[in-house]
Amino acid sequence: DTGVSQDPRHKITKRGQNVTFRCDPISEHNRLYWYRQTLGQGPEFLTYFQNEAQLEKSRLLSDRFSAERPKGSFSTLEIQRTEQGDSAMYLCASSSTSSSYEQYFGPGTRLTVT
Amino acid sequence: QKEVEQDPGPLSVPEGAIVSLNCTYSNSAFQYFMWYRQYSRKGPELLMYTYSSGNKEDGRFTAQVDKSSKYISLFIRDSQPSDSATYLCAMSFSGNTPLVFGKGTRLSVIA
Repeated sequence: DTGVSQDPRHKITKRGQNVTFRCDPISEHNRLYWYRQTLGQGPEFLTYFQNEAQLEKSRLLSDRFSAERPKGSFSTLEIQRTEQGDSAMYLCASSSTSSSYEQYFGPGTRLTVT
Repeated sequence: QKEVEQDPGPLSVPEGAIVSLNCTYSNSAFQYFMWYRQYSRKGPELLMYTYSSGNKEDGRFTAQVDKSSKYISLFIRDSQPSDSATYLCAMSFSGNTPLVFGKGTRLSVIA
């Protein structure tokens, strides 16, 4: 399967701990996006990369959140000092530059902060 | 007012019915319109996309965009229980901007 993969699928953490999620995009896609989805809502954009460059960040992305894509392949999203409000599904998507509206999503990482 | 409005439902229909799902939007600068299907606890799956106004058909699915009314629709013909999912509309200003999603409409097709 050459779709978008995410790891871990589920993460339970205590408030105040740091967590890191990984996303592996479709191999030929050079754009990678992070979204957050809470229950009963659609995904909300967090940030995206073209190759290794982070091109845009949403105001939703507080300074506790950081994302990297060091070699233009996989990406990591780190949340420091987690809060209960960070509990959500974190979704990764990828696309080609020529068809950025065609974004293909991974299965998501479900984060629960207790 | 949110940029993209979508009735969350739930919508329940009998098997074989024609389903109509809709979204309205406020920003006339949106040019790309997508429909995603999301099963419970899974990532969204791209169903169809449309550029600007018009219709697009793919099997049992038809997407319509009416930019003058800022209104988009997804029709599902001969609905099946396997179509039971949440349907999300999404929009983009250009081919290079992030997607803006509606809340999603939860659909149940009853056998």
